[in-house]
Amino acid sequence: DSGVTQTPKHLITATGQRVTLRCSPRSGDLSVYWYQQSLDQGLQFLIQYYNGEERAKGNILERFSAQQFPDLHSELNLSSLELGDSALYFCASSERGVNEAFFGQGTRLTVV
Amino acid sequence: GENVEQHPSTLSVQEGDSAVIKCTYSDSASNYFPWYKQELGKGPQLIIDIRSNVGEKKDQRIAVTLNKTAKHFSLHITETQPEDSAVYFCAASLNTDKLIFGTGTRLQVFP
Repeated sequence: DSGVTQTPKHLITATGQRVTLRCSPRSGDLSVYWYQQSLDQGLQFLIQYYNGEERAKGNILERFSAQQFPDLHSELNLSSLELGDSALYFCASSERGVNEAFFGQGTRLTVV
Repeated sequence: GENVEQHPSTLSVQEGDSAVIKCTYSDSASNYFPWYKQELGKGPQLIIDIRSNVGEKKDQRIAVTLNKTAKHFSLHITETQPEDSAVYFCAASLNTDKLIFGTGTRLQVFP
């Protein structure tokens, strides 16, 4: 167990809908990262937050947004969902920088 | 931006043999190189990492080497066991920035 908790584990929703994925980082970790993993694909960086502030952005679609709250948990919001958004979404956390980033178990999103 | 290439995409070895996975990165300023193991249905697990001021690091049956001049790094697993079967990802980052991952290597260890 990495100590990073993601909910829900599975999510099935229809095209056009909006969902929110939640991540609780390890105790004491200030940085949160979101990654997308499509079927048989690598891990694509979406966005990073550090202590509530956006720190780095990857190839995140405009339909997607995220935030980190004062208690350091983070949420990834995906809207106007398309079939191609079906993927595993991972959250990772680290104490400060990306060194020794620990991943959660992921949320499997299926858009039908 | 940083790009990481990883080879091979699949690797099959007999139990007890060694396995080597290689990665090349593009940004010469990258200074942190972790390796992750991902088992089916689970999140990536950090197994070893190396920083740019070190050329080699070993942890039991796992070792990582870094060649900064050639901009590549490799994962070596010795005395492979069936439980080593998984997908392995290399990654690179600059300072405390985001991790850029390779495309993964599916390792199968046959008994």
